[in-house]
Amino acid sequence: GAVVSQHPSRVICKSGTSVKIECRSLDFQATTMFWYRQFPKQSLMLMATSNEGSKATYEQGVEKDKFLINHASLTLSTLTVTSAHPEDSSFYICSATTRDTQYFGPGTRLTVL
Amino acid sequence: QKEVEQDPGPLSVPEGAIVSLNCTYSNSAFQYFMWYRQYSRKGPELLMYTYSSGNKEDGRFTAQVDKSSKYISLFIRDSQPSDSATYLCAMSDQRGTSYGKLTFGQGTILTVHP
Repeated sequence: GAVVSQHPSRVICKSGTSVKIECRSLDFQATTMFWYRQFPKQSLMLMATSNEGSKATYEQGVEKDKFLINHASLTLSTLTVTSAHPEDSSFYICSATTRDTQYFGPGTRLTVL
Repeated sequence: QKEVEQDPGPLSVPEGAIVSLNCTYSNSAFQYFMWYRQYSRKGPELLMYTYSSGNKEDGRFTAQVDKSSKYISLFIRDSQPSDSATYLCAMSDQRGTSYGKLTFGQGTILTVHP
């Protein structure tokens, strides 16, 4: 299957700092990538849809100024959590779509102290 | 009512058992159906993908889709302890702005004990 990588795999930061997470499709080009967050023992919650070369589309309730998404190329999308707070601590997962399904990255665990 | 309903379990079975996992949905526009397996602290891994109604088999896994009943299933034969994970159903209608967007079930936690 298609391979999607994320970096870093885990990050610990102080409250108020910004954190950037990278999502790469390694063996295919992805016009569209998705960003999810997942709380313990819960399913994935879609945060935003990222399209190469255009602005991301955010789901209702997701602050676009707090979660900045950039999709600069067909193989790379980045999520920046700005001014992170402890409540932003979560598991962030990206996915990249081929014509008809999604392949997920391994996830990034963010802990904000 | 959620668009996709999935019993979160937990489900515990002995090694070698046949496991049945199910989801129901309400949106008749869904045409693409997927099952993902997620190990703890990892991203979901695509297991099975089915378009429209019917059965699909891959090794020990069989996916069934019954669009008339809005019901999908995943069967695992000869279950192994390594199958212990959370299983997520997901579906999509692939139309317009929803292209590629998946709607997930809550996930079923499965434990296969030796």
